[in-house]
Amino acid sequence: AQSVTQPDIHITVSEGASLELRCNYSYGATPYLFWYVQSPGQGLQLLLKYFSGDTLVQGIKGFEAEFKRSQSSFNLRKPSVHWSDAAEYFCAVGASDYKLSFGAGTTVTVRA
Amino acid sequence: DADVTQTPRNRITKTGKRIMLECSQTKGHDRMYWYRQDPGLGLRLIYYSFDVKDINKGEISDGYSVSRQAQAKFSLSLESAIPNQTALYFCATSDRGLEQYFGPGTRLTVT
Repeated sequence: AQSVTQPDIHITVSEGASLELRCNYSYGATPYLFWYVQSPGQGLQLLLKYFSGDTLVQGIKGFEAEFKRSQSSFNLRKPSVHWSDAAEYFCAVGASDYKLSFGAGTTVTVRA
Repeated sequence: DADVTQTPRNRITKTGKRIMLECSQTKGHDRMYWYRQDPGLGLRLIYYSFDVKDINKGEISDGYSVSRQAQAKFSLSLESAIPNQTALYFCATSDRGLEQYFGPGTRLTVT
């Protein structure tokens, strides 16, 4: 069975600074990887996904993620954070049974 | 209008009561899912359905049941609610791929 670890429970970053959120997955075959964002009081919105091909994936809201098979990682990055990026971020891995396994989430606080 | 809707958005109920959470979608997707979210645990799959005649248990189905009334509707029931079922519940849908689309969530409190 697949699983996801998000090592950082909470990250605080200054507005305008760069952001990197870590995600490590465990899955025996080629993974399908996702990052979702949950703003306060909202449902989950897909930021980006990786299925195959280019290992650097561009998403919405200026986010990107890089798939590194050798490290079993799919870290999310943003060069310059805006106050509206304060939210909870979830990494997920999907398998051939069409189910997703989610990490515990990383809460991002943006300080002025 | 939202593609995936959930009703109610908030609910407070007492221990032992039966409660139903409803999910409707206008995306035309065959696959629907119910998750619960608890702080520090992420989202965990309760039940999922790949079409109207297909119902499958997820990793935490005990104490829950579901009904797939139509392609667009998937309901989650708590037959006898208990306090540790207090959580945020999400419905999601997907087409033939893996990408899932989530509803806004239902915050359930069991006292």
